[in-house]
Amino acid sequence: QVQLQQSGPGLLKPSQTLSLTCAISGDSVSSKLATWNWIRQSPSRGLEWLGRTLYRSRWSVNYAPSVNGRITVTPDTSKNQFSLLLKSVTPEDTAVYYCAREKDWGGTDSWGQGTLVTVSS
Amino acid sequence: DIQMTQSPSSLSASVGDRVTITCRASQDIGIHLAWYQQKPGKLPNLLIYEASTLQSGVPSRVSGSGSGTDFTLTIASLKAEDVATYYCQKYNSPPLTFGGGTKVEVK
Repeated sequence: QVQLQQSGPGLLKPSQTLSLTCAISGDSVSSKLATWNWIRQSPSRGLEWLGRTLYRSRWSVNYAPSVNGRITVTPDTSKNQFSLLLKSVTPEDTAVYYCAREKDWGGTDSWGQGTLVTVSS
Repeated sequence: DIQMTQSPSSLSASVGDRVTITCRASQDIGIHLAWYQQKPGKLPNLLIYEASTLQSGVPSRVSGSGSGTDFTLTIASLKAEDVATYYCQKYNSPPLTFGGGTKVEVK
């Protein structure tokens, strides 16, 4: 049974960098049968996929156009976890942030507990 | 980028009713579509992947169909426990866009 445990601060000021980590148990960040994703949810934007990291013969990342240029998703194989950095946050980045595993054959079947991130001066 | 449009945005039905939710992609995504159920205050729960494959543990009254650009999620006989918001998501290629959601209520 895969478990994803998120950690990171929930309150930021505008222009700061959001930093979250997702620790994986029951699977490997290096698995060739999964991708490791960050998703956020807010009343105004609904569910929004932000980005992912995956390992096949090499590491790859993909990002949503809406946050491309501000986002970095990084795997950490030594700790079996992956992280999210989102630079220059604004109040519009206020949301619940989730890490999640997508199976290679489709569908996101495991989710972290969610972290409410509030951006406010 | 491919846009995902769900309809209706909300619906109210009686227990025992057949409920149908549609999801339309702006371009062909094959069968690379998943459906999720999210109850208030809970995490999204995967119901269906590959457009019509039921995730383990999901009741058989739930089904999915479609391919290309038009997809359907059907609850054959609505139960009170099905009150939730339902989302579709494409995953053929990034970005893995979600639909806007359909809120299902019981009359």
